[in-house]
Amino acid sequence: QVQLVQSGAEVKRPGSSVKVSCKASGGTFSSYVFSWVRQAPGQGLEWMGGIIPIFGPANYAQKFQGRVTITADASTSTAYMDLSSLRSEDTAVYYCATGTTTFYYWGQGTLVTVSS
Amino acid sequence: EIVMTQSPATLSVSPGERATLSCRASQSVSSNLAWYQQKPGQAPRLLIYGASTRATGIPARFSGSGSGTEFTLTISSLQSEDFAIYYCQQYNNRYTFGQGTKLEIK
Repeated sequence: QVQLVQSGAEVKRPGSSVKVSCKASGGTFSSYVFSWVRQAPGQGLEWMGGIIPIFGPANYAQKFQGRVTITADASTSTAYMDLSSLRSEDTAVYYCATGTTTFYYWGQGTLVTVSS
Repeated sequence: EIVMTQSPATLSVSPGERATLSCRASQSVSSNLAWYQQKPGQAPRLLIYGASTRATGIPARFSGSGSGTEFTLTISSLQSEDFAIYYCQQYNNRYTFGQGTKLEIK
């Protein structure tokens, strides 16, 4: 049983960056697809990008190209999502999710609030 | 990008009755289609993958069908814990989600 534990809530200023981590346990980290999905308040789910640690590099949804960087550290079984040039519309819960094909396991979510 | 469209946006059904949720893809996704359930304040939970295979621990009252561009999630006899938002997702070409169907108590 894979467990994903994410880093804690963040409050950021517009124009800054945020880095969220996702530590995996209980599975074979390197062979899974790790993705990041966000959910703005009251809205639906939006895939941002993903990575297979043994293959890398990450691929990204077109909407986030150039602004998001997804990495993975196999030595610590941790995936990261770095989002830059933050704006108020980036206020959302950010989830990491993984599985062999689709998103079988999910982290608990990390609330990122962008506010001046 | 493959666009996923769910209908209806909101579905009102009485406990014990059947609920049928629809999902349409803008182009064929073969059987690479998943359904998720999300309750307030919780992460989504995988219900169905491969269009019709239940994930581990998912009750048999949940069933999925379809292939290509048309998909259906059926909940055969609604229990109180089934009232939630349901999302479809294609994983044939990257990943995209539908906008969700809110299943509410009638």
